[in-house]
Amino acid sequence: TQLLEQSPQFLSIQEGENLTVYCNSSSVFSSLQWYRQEPGEGPVLLVTVVTGGEVKKLKRLTFQFGDARKDSSLHITAAQPGDTGLYLCAGPTGANSKLTFGKGITLSVRP
Amino acid sequence: ETGVTQTPRHLVMGMTNKKSLKCEQHLGHNAMYWYKQSAKKPLELMFVYSLEERVENNSVPSRFSPECPNSSHLFLHLHTLQPEDSALYLCASSQGLNSISSFFGQGTRLTVV
Repeated sequence: TQLLEQSPQFLSIQEGENLTVYCNSSSVFSSLQWYRQEPGEGPVLLVTVVTGGEVKKLKRLTFQFGDARKDSSLHITAAQPGDTGLYLCAGPTGANSKLTFGKGITLSVRP
Repeated sequence: ETGVTQTPRHLVMGMTNKKSLKCEQHLGHNAMYWYKQSAKKPLELMFVYSLEERVENNSVPSRFSPECPNSSHLFLHLHTLQPEDSALYLCASSQGLNSISSFFGQGTRLTVV
């Protein structure tokens, strides 16, 4: 059982469409992070959400942290081919607050 | 220049070889990490260093040996690896152990033949 479940696993959409993806857990997290990873590269931090109910916007990307701090969503408006990549969510766990990652969501945006 | 730099970017090695992966961070962070990323699996934390001291070893086989000579550099020494060790190895750093944000290098794509 994964601590962080991400859905859907794969998503292929046309340029201009909107989409929402999810990161869910049965555990409470003090914070959650979203990363984007392109093929052959390392993950790049997009955002950290800390407060329950928090909404953060990064251009066309809107991130929300659930009120109970157990889940998060990422909404992309008018997706572009440059949004293609693996989207990872992660949260701190354990004594040293080590990051635990979900399996990721592979997004493909077709021109 | 990126904040966290890994070399080499690609490595092919035989099962009897000895090689090392290098990571360097220019962010002034005190914590550094090695992760393994395999297909269809979440990132797996391998080792954690804080102020050059290893604070976590997640049941990693002894054929992987980390070294942190100072807070800016982290190495992963490899010997007698198996084909299933082929993966993307990622280095990351953070301000401290309890920092909520980590910054990753570009990774080393390792293939064991």
